Amino acid sequence: KQEVTQIPAALSVPEGENLVLNCSFTDSAIYNLQWFRQDPGKGLTSLLLIQSSQREQTSGRLNASLDKSSGRSTLYIAASQPGDSATYLCAVRNYGGSQGNLIFGKGTKLSVKP
Amino acid sequence: GAVVSQHPSRVICKSGTSVKIECRSLDFQATTMFWYRQFPKQSLMLMATSNEGSKATYEQGVEKDKFLINHASLTLSTLTVTSAHPEDSSFYICSGVRGTGELFFGEGSRLTVL
Repeated sequence: KQEVTQIPAALSVPEGENLVLNCSFTDSAIYNLQWFRQDPGKGLTSLLLIQSSQREQTSGRLNASLDKSSGRSTLYIAASQPGDSATYLCAVRNYGGSQGNLIFGKGTKLSVKP
Repeated sequence: GAVVSQHPSRVICKSGTSVKIECRSLDFQATTMFWYRQFPKQSLMLMATSNEGSKATYEQGVEKDKFLINHASLTLSTLTVTSAHPEDSSFYICSGVRGTGELFFGEGSRLTVL
């Protein structure tokens, strides 16, 4: 059974710092991995989608990597800003699973202090 | 990114009543949409897959008679929580899939059953 773990559960950094959020999964037979952002009481905003054949994806100050063999993904945020404060969720889609059948981690709650 | 709209964002109802939540894809057609539930400090869990023009498919442990799903058009899926009870209080989120398999989520609906 696929399990997704995110460490740390919470992270507080000063503005301007670069940071890395970690995601690990137990079954390497994934179809893709997606990073989301969730603001309090809100839905999810898709940040980056990495297909199983890809190693990384970049969007602006965000860079996500994928190492299927070790069951790990990282989300790198450069030059963090207070507006980056949110909960970041990692989710994997298994092979054979439906498009919506994502296995989510519990998230990392990020706080960027001005 | 694509836009998925959910309504209402918050609803409070009395025990025993039914509540309908709408999920609309505003700028793309979604033959398939997904409904999730999120309890406080827990991961999102897929409840059901909504298929346009056909019956929804439910995940194990989700009562289809309690959570009625209708997907009458390519841009609208509805979730009706029938005879709601306090244990149904949760955050309900929908998503639609477009193109490469990337999911786009609605803003979520907070249901509180008194």
